[in-house]
Amino acid sequence: DAKTTQPPSMDCAEGRAANLPCNHSTISGNEYVYWYRQIHSQGPQYIIHGLKNNETNEMASLIITEDRKSSTLILPHATLRDTAVYYCIVRVYGGSQGNLIFGKGTKLSVKP
Amino acid sequence: DTGVSQDPRHKITKRGQNVTFRCDPISEHNRLYWYRQTLGQGPEFLTYFQNEAQLEKSRLLSDRFSAERPKGSFSTLEIQRTEQGDSAMYLCASSLGTGVTGELFFGEGSRLTVL
Repeated sequence: DAKTTQPPSMDCAEGRAANLPCNHSTISGNEYVYWYRQIHSQGPQYIIHGLKNNETNEMASLIITEDRKSSTLILPHATLRDTAVYYCIVRVYGGSQGNLIFGKGTKLSVKP
Repeated sequence: DTGVSQDPRHKITKRGQNVTFRCDPISEHNRLYWYRQTLGQGPEFLTYFQNEAQLEKSRLLSDRFSAERPKGSFSTLEIQRTEQGDSAMYLCASSLGTGVTGELFFGEGSRLTVL
């Protein structure tokens, strides 16, 4: 079973920031938080990951709470092309386990 | 294109037939993964390979399913005696070890419809 909880859907106005929450209250000390997204009819795409510090790349920012029990993915200026299902996943980095466990994700709809 | 490629993209078959999907990973990637995704659900892990060795299999991978990666490059996923419940998108992904970032690169999938 997925170790994360996400809202099933969210809307965001184009050009505004999209803030996608994720709860992972049972996260272990050696587990990272990963975010992937899946645009309709495509395979999932990696966005960002982090352990405990906030992270930023060209796609998004990841804010992880101090107790690491929740996180927020921020798309600073959402566009229509960001409409997708966003998956929050916790995973051991560098461990022997090779798979990602996806939940149902959050369906983000960016509206003009 | 140097991404993960999957073939065929779409397959329609009758119940009871065998089907085979092929995945060509990114060339230098030593790990290869198979996932299955049904409508409205997230992808579900099936199995993964490191080079030619199959290191992990999900309980979803029934005895009708077999995956191979004979030379540590491309992989095939065969489903024997297909059932309507096998209708799904079959996704392949690859990574370099656990990846520089732990990142998996996914293909666009092979959609199977069993009539």
